[in-house]
Amino acid sequence: SAVISQKPSRDICQRGTSLTIQCQVDSQVTMMFWYRQQPGQSLTLIATANQGSEATYESGFVIDKFPISRPNLTFSTLTVSNMSPEDSSIYLCSFSFSYEQFFGPGTRLTVL
Amino acid sequence: GQQLNQSPQSMFIQEGEDVSMNCTSSSIFNTWLWYKQDPGEGPVLLIALYKAGELTSNGRLTAQFGITRKDSFLNISASIPSDVGIYFCAGHLTGTASKLTFGTGTRLQVTL
Repeated sequence: SAVISQKPSRDICQRGTSLTIQCQVDSQVTMMFWYRQQPGQSLTLIATANQGSEATYESGFVIDKFPISRPNLTFSTLTVSNMSPEDSSIYLCSFSFSYEQFFGPGTRLTVL
Repeated sequence: GQQLNQSPQSMFIQEGEDVSMNCTSSSIFNTWLWYKQDPGEGPVLLIALYKAGELTSNGRLTAQFGITRKDSFLNISASIPSDVGIYFCAGHLTGTASKLTFGTGTRLQVTL
């Protein structure tokens, strides 16, 4: 099965700055997804990233705050912009194969 | 947004005991997936279910797709310390082939 990795694994950032999270899959996949997991909570889908088109954002998430790139079939980035302490969460990328989704290890973000 | 309710929210069990948790919704799902998340890691897919009534096993784990398509359960037999973690159900709502909806999670803790 495909291996999915994320960088960085964790970061501590200052309020008002931006962080770009990278997600790499070791084989080509059509659909990639970005999730947020707030402390002690379940996973919430931020957006679906398809290669060659704009990402599709879920209600409550906007492109200006969470711009996403999908330059090819193995890679995607999520930027968390103009961060505030409320953005402190684990950010997870995933890809789908048929109806199953497989997740990266996550990026633990702390905003001071 | 749509919520999948999991119960129990958390549980302490003795090593060697069997565990049962379930996931319910007011909406119909086309698939059910069960994940386990260890601290500091991304969710790992345990079992995928595709048809109403389907019963599937993976080692000591058994999961079933409810007949009404609105619920699913996961059983763990003869629990061991490494079963500790958070278990999430997830599924595809009718009409949402790619988007996964996640449950609220069940935290499992095992006492020796």
